[in-house]
Amino acid sequence: NAGVMQNPRHLVRRRGQEARLRCSPMKGHSHVYWYRQLPEEGLKFMVYLQKENIIDESGMPKERFSAEFPKEGPSILRIQQVVRGDSAAYFCASSPQKKGVGQPQHFGDGTRLSIL
Amino acid sequence: GDSVTQMEGPVTLSEEAFLTINCTYTATGYPSLFWYVQYPGEGLQLLLKATKADDKGSNKGFEATYRKETTSFHLEKGSVQVSDSAVYFCAPGGSARQLTFGSGTQLTVLP
Repeated sequence: NAGVMQNPRHLVRRRGQEARLRCSPMKGHSHVYWYRQLPEEGLKFMVYLQKENIIDESGMPKERFSAEFPKEGPSILRIQQVVRGDSAAYFCASSPQKKGVGQPQHFGDGTRLSIL
Repeated sequence: GDSVTQMEGPVTLSEEAFLTINCTYTATGYPSLFWYVQYPGEGLQLLLKATKADDKGSNKGFEATYRKETTSFHLEKGSVQVSDSAVYFCAPGGSARQLTFGSGTQLTVLP
């Protein structure tokens, strides 16, 4: 199965620690998106990346959050000095390079982040 | 930016009942429209899509028609099953463009 792979599935951190969430896109996909889902809510866009470039980070909090998608390896969402309000499910999605309308995003199963 | 208004849930139906989940949107340009489904503890799965006005997306008995004049993309199914119980999300967007999600509609189908 060459779907979007996220790890870890569950991550527990104490306040003030760092959280690193990884996402490997589907084979052949070069666009990666990160979304956050709070309990009982829909997904909120955070950031959109292509290889080595951040295209749109309009949904990313200005402090403590960063994302990268290096030339080699998975995309990383990094949260520094976590706080209780960061507890959520973080989903990664990918789509292909091919342009044109109708290209859906394919989602991973998410990382559930819990802050103690 | 884009926005979505989705029928609030939860929705509870008996098996074989008819399902409609309303979705209206505002968006810049001419987005593609998607319905995603989320089962407990999982990510979102693409259910169906439509890429231009009057297109009908369909999959697994679900249908939705891209109505540009009413900016709507209502989801329908003629006969629901217990296995359809999940949360359903409507979203305008597409490749190279963020998806904008509504709050989702929880569907429970009783046997």
